Amino acid sequence: GAVVSQHPSWVICKSGTSVKIECRSLDFQATTMFWYRQFPKQSLMLMATSNEGSKATYEQGVEKDKFLINHASLTLSTLTVTSAHPEDSSFYICSARDRSAYEQYFGPGTRLTVT
Amino acid sequence: QQQVKQSPQSLIVQKGGISIINCAYENTAFDYFPWYQQFPGKGPALLIAIRPDVSEKKEGRFTISFNKSAKQFSLHIMDSQPGDSATYFCAATSRGFTGGGNKLTFGTGTQLKVEL
Repeated sequence: GAVVSQHPSWVICKSGTSVKIECRSLDFQATTMFWYRQFPKQSLMLMATSNEGSKATYEQGVEKDKFLINHASLTLSTLTVTSAHPEDSSFYICSARDRSAYEQYFGPGTRLTVT
Repeated sequence: QQQVKQSPQSLIVQKGGISIINCAYENTAFDYFPWYQQFPGKGPALLIAIRPDVSEKKEGRFTISFNKSAKQFSLHIMDSQPGDSATYFCAATSRGFTGGGNKLTFGTGTQLKVEL
């Protein structure tokens, strides 16, 4: 149990375009989902917290107009990187918290490369 | 006060040996301490977690030791295997709902390599 999927697993896009990443909890309901960014050989950096049916809460320094987060249902959250630039290239990881527990379960990550 | 300090940054252990990774925290509101294992190109996987009402938790070859007074906790991997080679992250959070949805504060990670 407690499986979180992400789609796509990797994506290459051109500078100036937008990219959408989906995060799904497959076998549990997630009231809260989190979006992280990870650079090579570094720890995870929390970008935002997403609660179902409400606006996401962004961490300091994260541009909310650039990284659009939507948590439309208890099993789906999306991250849209708008007007992507090469510096947005990174590994994006989502996690989901089971509404009945405290554990966070992570997705497999999405490798974004902006050319 | 939100920091979680993790050491060592990297660790090389012989097959069959014990791997030990240490973490220290400052925020006394933290009351849930998970460890995650991450392989290259993959998302972190929950390995084992502990609450501060116990001093030790064991699951298979993995043991968490927790010292509440020292605000330290550690991961012990017994009989380390080459397949354990990965990056390990400790984390901490407060289970009380503060509106932040139980955000995890991560350590900086430890790259473990288990040699034959």
